[in-house]
Amino acid sequence: AQSVTQPDIHITVSEGASLELRCNYSYGATPYLFWYVQSPGQGLQLLLKYFSGDTLVQGIKGFEAEFKRSQSSFNLRKPSVHWSDAAEYFCAVGAPGRFGAGTRLTVKP
Amino acid sequence: DAGITQSPRYKITETGRQVTLMCHQTWSHSYMFWYRQDLGHGLRLIYYSAAADITDKGEVPDGYVVSRSKTENFPLTLESATRSQTSVYFCASSESWNNQPQHFGDGTRLSIL
Repeated sequence: AQSVTQPDIHITVSEGASLELRCNYSYGATPYLFWYVQSPGQGLQLLLKYFSGDTLVQGIKGFEAEFKRSQSSFNLRKPSVHWSDAAEYFCAVGAPGRFGAGTRLTVKP
Repeated sequence: DAGITQSPRYKITETGRQVTLMCHQTWSHSYMFWYRQDLGHGLRLIYYSAAADITDKGEVPDGYVVSRSKTENFPLTLESATRSQTSVYFCASSESWNNQPQHFGDGTRLSIL
């Protein structure tokens, strides 16, 4: 059965620092992989997705993610975090998407 | 404006009551989804629909009923609400099966007393 693990419940980074959010999945075939962001009181917004091809995927808001089949991972990265990036981030796998529990990002000034 | 509209945004009801959450999308997307969001669980899929009159169960369908008589509407009904169904409910849509879900509504916060 497909599943998603986001090992970090909460991460704090300083503004301007780099960011990496971890996502590990379990899936029988080549997975569809997604990252979403959720601001308080709002729905989720799709940041990026991976179906096949180039394992480094570019998304909106300066985010990117790398698919590593050997590690069953799809980690989200951003080179320089802005205060507005503070939110909850969700990784999802498969179709229909099965979501991880989320990682809450706090950005320190 | 195009988008997904959920109503109501907030609802308080009592156990045993029937309650319907509405979802309307303006893109004419084929696929629509209902999720519930609970602390520590992320989002869990309740039901989804591939087209009008085509629905299927997700991960946690028990206690819920859906219908889709029109492409743009996908209501979710709790036939006899229980306290364990207190949650935030999100509707979503996408234009294709693997490109999903693309767009989310702002959610309905449902409290069952």
